[in-house]
This record gives sequence, structure tokens and C-alpha cells, in this order.
Amino acid sequence: DAGVIQSPRHEVTEMGQEVTLRCKPISGHNSLFWYRQTMMRGLELLIYFNNNVPIDDSGMPEDRFSAKMPNASFSTLKIQPSEPRDSAVYFCASSLGTSGGEETQYFGPGTRLLVL
Amino acid sequence: AQSVTQLDSQVPVFEEAPVELRCNYSSSVSVYLFWYVQYPNQGLQLLLKYLSGSTLVKGINGFEAEFNKSQTSFHLRKPSVHISDTAEYFCAVSVSYGQNFVFGPGTRLSVLP
Repeated sequence: DAGVIQSPRHEVTEMGQEVTLRCKPISGHNSLFWYRQTMMRGLELLIYFNNNVPIDDSGMPEDRFSAKMPNASFSTLKIQPSEPRDSAVYFCASSLGTSGGEETQYFGPGTRLLVL
Repeated sequence: AQSVTQLDSQVPVFEEAPVELRCNYSSSVSVYLFWYVQYPNQGLQLLLKYLSGSTLVKGINGFEAEFNKSQTSFHLRKPSVHISDTAEYFCAVSVSYGQNFVFGPGTRLSVLP
């Protein structure tokens, strides 16, 4: 399997622009997670889906952030409008999601976002 | 809510020396514990996990960790490190009723020649 696929790998944009990050989970996995990693705050869970339904979005920082999972093989994280403080590495992860917290999460390579 | 503490932000060690990376957690319910490794410019990769049973867990690349419930710890060890073990190591905790992971702040292991 190709693993979790994220695109783009790098994104540089200007403040105020819309940014869309994309994720393709491992085939057969039912849960998908979006994380943000920064030096200051470490690794934070933003939102996770199970069977394409958002289960917990309490980590989404504000209304500028939105995430969708229209089908089992694709998810997007959108930031509109983007701000310099959104600069971070955004990771997508997936798991089988057939049970609870014992599932291993498989991480993608991340998208490095820089907002100027 | 659960929390994870990794007291050492950086650990330098010479090649072939043993290493221990510390992890402590707090939770009011039973937890599952994980160690993930992140190599430069890559995503996180599972090293090992404790779900139940034997408190000594062996993982990939010669790493092992021991779950100590009384001390609420899950320290990671390797008897002899290699240059290639240089990476950031994250301890994480989860519970049975959800899939949320709480990650620790990470420990940067630097293996020196």
C-alpha cells in the first residue's frame, strides 16, 4: 500500500488567501485524523472522522478552519482566510477505526504551510 | 482528560550507548500507550504500543518500553543506539472509548559519533 498520501507537500501563500490541504487515507481505513505541528504547541489534533462523519472537531482553532470528508478515500482541510500564525506542518493520519483507542494511527508525510 | 509529560526535550547520547526516554501520563481511566518516532521531514511512525498484558513491550528497531502503572510511566529504552536513531520521539496516550490521541511534547534524540 502507498500509505497515507498528502498534497501538496509544501505550500507558500500570502495572508488572506484560501489554502486547501488534501489527504488520501490508507484503503480500508475508516478513521481519519488531521493534526497540526508547531514548535510552540507541539502536535495538536484538529479533527477526526469515522466513516466519513466528523466525530470530534474541538481542536479546530476557529471558524477559518474547515474540514470535509466527502468519501472514504478523500479529505480536505481548508483555511480561509489564512494568517501567518497558521504556518505549521499539517499531518493527516488514518486508522482501521474498527474499535477504540488501541488502533495504530498511520501518518502521512505532512504538508508544510508557510503563510507570509 | 489525559495528559502526557516528556521531561527531556533533548537527549544527546554517543553511538552504541544505552538510552532511556522518559514518559509519564495522567488519566483517571485505563489507558493505551504508544511511542512514535519522527525522522526529519517525515510523518510519525509507530515504534511500539501497550494495550494490555505483559508490561514489557518490544518494538521495531530494537526499542522496548515498560509500562509501570503505579508510577504512571512508559519509558522507552534501547541498549545500544545507532546514528540512524537520531529523531524526535513522541509518547502518546489514548483511552478505550474514543480514538483521540494525546501526544507528549516530544524528545529529540541526537546520537553522536
